[in-house]
Amino acid sequence: DVKVTQSSRYLVKRTGEKVFLECVQDMDHENMFWYRQDPGLGLRLIYFSYDVKMKEKGDIPEGYSVSREKKERFSLILESASTNQTSMYLCASSLQGWYRETQYFGPGTRLLVL
Amino acid sequence: DAKTTQPPSMDCAEGRAANLPCNHSTISGNEYVYWYRQIHSQGPQYIIHGLKNNETNEMASLIITEDRKSSTLILPHATLRDTAVYYCIVRVELQETSGSRLTFGEGTQLTVNP
Repeated sequence: DVKVTQSSRYLVKRTGEKVFLECVQDMDHENMFWYRQDPGLGLRLIYFSYDVKMKEKGDIPEGYSVSREKKERFSLILESASTNQTSMYLCASSLQGWYRETQYFGPGTRLLVL
Repeated sequence: DAKTTQPPSMDCAEGRAANLPCNHSTISGNEYVYWYRQIHSQGPQYIIHGLKNNETNEMASLIITEDRKSSTLILPHATLRDTAVYYCIVRVELQETSGSRLTFGEGTQLTVNP
């Protein structure tokens, strides 16, 4: 079974803090993704990576950065957390394949910024 | 991007088949239909996907109309653990990479009743 793990299930941070969210997958997947999920807005892509050290902006990259130093690990960084970044953060991974890509999600991190 | 339309909620009796409809009238010829579900406070879980033909796996069946403008996810014997939000998604290709973005709408809240 594919396993995608996230470093925390719940996190509380203060405005202005630097926040690191870590994601690890154990299936040698090339692609990794960070989404956030908010009520009424669905799932929105923040960043994705299709190879080590490669990253691409998604739909809402502002206020976020990412790091992919190893194939199995994809980190999301909130440089200076703000209250509007309170959300559920979901990491996903997938094999590369033009039409047969299935994404596997982690359990999510619920972040509260005070 | 092909958009999808799903009813916001459905109920189903335990042990009966749950049939979840999805309209995707603007789907293009090379786009796959994917179904995911999300149990409360967990990450989304892949269920099934298809292009033209009907598909079946251990979780569900997917019926796609001949014109591909709609599809139905069938859970043949729903259990209480199938209570979740079900998302119908058309896979959106990302340019210049072999990754893809999943755009989740609001989905259908399926409640399986005892």
